[in-house]
Amino acid sequence: DIQMTQSPSSLSASVGDRVTITCRASQGVGNYLAWYQHKPGEIPRLLIFAASTLQSGVPSRFSGSGSGTEFTLTISSLQPDDVAVYYCQQYKSAPYAFAQGTNLEIK
Amino acid sequence: QVQLVESGGGVVQPGGSLRLSCTASGFRFSDFGMHWVRQAPGKGLEWVTFIRYDGRITYYADSAKGRFTISRDNSKNTVYLQMNSLKTADTAAYYCAKDPKWLSGLMESWGQGTLVIVSS
Repeated sequence: DIQMTQSPSSLSASVGDRVTITCRASQGVGNYLAWYQHKPGEIPRLLIFAASTLQSGVPSRFSGSGSGTEFTLTISSLQPDDVAVYYCQQYKSAPYAFAQGTNLEIK
Repeated sequence: QVQLVESGGGVVQPGGSLRLSCTASGFRFSDFGMHWVRQAPGKGLEWVTFIRYDGRITYYADSAKGRFTISRDNSKNTVYLQMNSLKTADTAAYYCAKDPKWLSGLMESWGQGTLVIVSS
């Protein structure tokens, strides 16, 4: 089974900062990598799929990159609305594992 | 507009059983795969199981194998999760989620979730 890990597990940044979250897979997943945003009290939301494709309606300050085993999610200019837990997930093969998540807060 | 409504959660004793349902609307249910994902209190998202659009392919997380069964009734636009031999570690909010294809592994739309508490 493919294991997913993220770093950091928590992150505090200021409004307007550039924020980067890293995701690693235990074996290559090509570009079968998704990012989800889970805000407090809300349901999870698909942000990015195929490592770098933005889901419809997602602000352009979000971007994804990477392939194989290492991926990044970048928020170019952090906004208060971005406070959430972010998860990467591989969907190359079942079981479709999530990483443990990154808790993003505003300083 | 996609809508997914879970039901069937509640309090159950360890070793007990529970069946969750997720009723879908706003899309052609029989064309899409469906997932169940859970989140234990204070923990992250955990993918649990998947069923293909026709019900002929299912996948399970190791934590669910042998105890949980996913099924679907396309005539009722509903996917089910039968959970047996429940453990305290199964306490979680359970979400159903729509795959954007008949089988991609992505979860593009989510329900509001139903809470399962396993406790004596």
